[in-house]
Amino acid sequence: GENVEQHPSTLSVQEGDSAVIKCTYSDSASNYFPWYKQELGKRPQLIIDIRSNVGEKKDQRIAVTLNKTAKHFSLHITETQPEDSAVYFCAASTGLGDSNYQLIWGAGTKLIIKP
Amino acid sequence: DSGVTQTPKHLITATGQRVTLRCSPRSGDLSVYWYQQSLDQGLQFLIQYYNGEERAKGNILERFSAQQFPDLHSELNLSSLELGDSALYFCASSLSGRAGETQYFGPGTRLLVL
Repeated sequence: GENVEQHPSTLSVQEGDSAVIKCTYSDSASNYFPWYKQELGKRPQLIIDIRSNVGEKKDQRIAVTLNKTAKHFSLHITETQPEDSAVYFCAASTGLGDSNYQLIWGAGTKLIIKP
Repeated sequence: DSGVTQTPKHLITATGQRVTLRCSPRSGDLSVYWYQQSLDQGLQFLIQYYNGEERAKGNILERFSAQQFPDLHSELNLSSLELGDSALYFCASSLSGRAGETQYFGPGTRLLVL
């Protein structure tokens, strides 16, 4: 079945620097790749997503890139700020076509922004 | 606020007991998902319902069961509780349950088994 690996498990960056989190997936039929952010003690929230017909998507300081050939996608956060400190989860859809019902989740990356 | 509500917020119980967690999806959403998140762990998908019917099953133990009612709220039943069942249980909802939709998470129920 589908497997999603997420790296690194912990990432510490200086405030103002960029952060990159990478996920790899195994199911070539996967066509949807969301990223969720979970602040301490709070619920996960969608921050950005990308579909398989697009290679890159940006939303202000956040971007996601997708390489279908290599089966990996990455989250890029530029000009990091203290409020970016959180756990980030990637996920990949599994199934075929309209039966893409399930998301397979990565294990999460704890991002620490150092002041 | 995502529009998804979960009750109770906290639950403390003893090993061997049974508890029921409740979730109400966002208005208009037909699909509900249940997740388990142990301390400092990732999101473990348990089960998904769409319009009252089970759609997908993840790593849900036989001691756990769930259902979605005609008014679309869902309940997760956990029985013969063990210490290892202590975790944060999230419910999420989406419009029609397809993987390409945003899942909106509730605030979670924190379960502590003593």
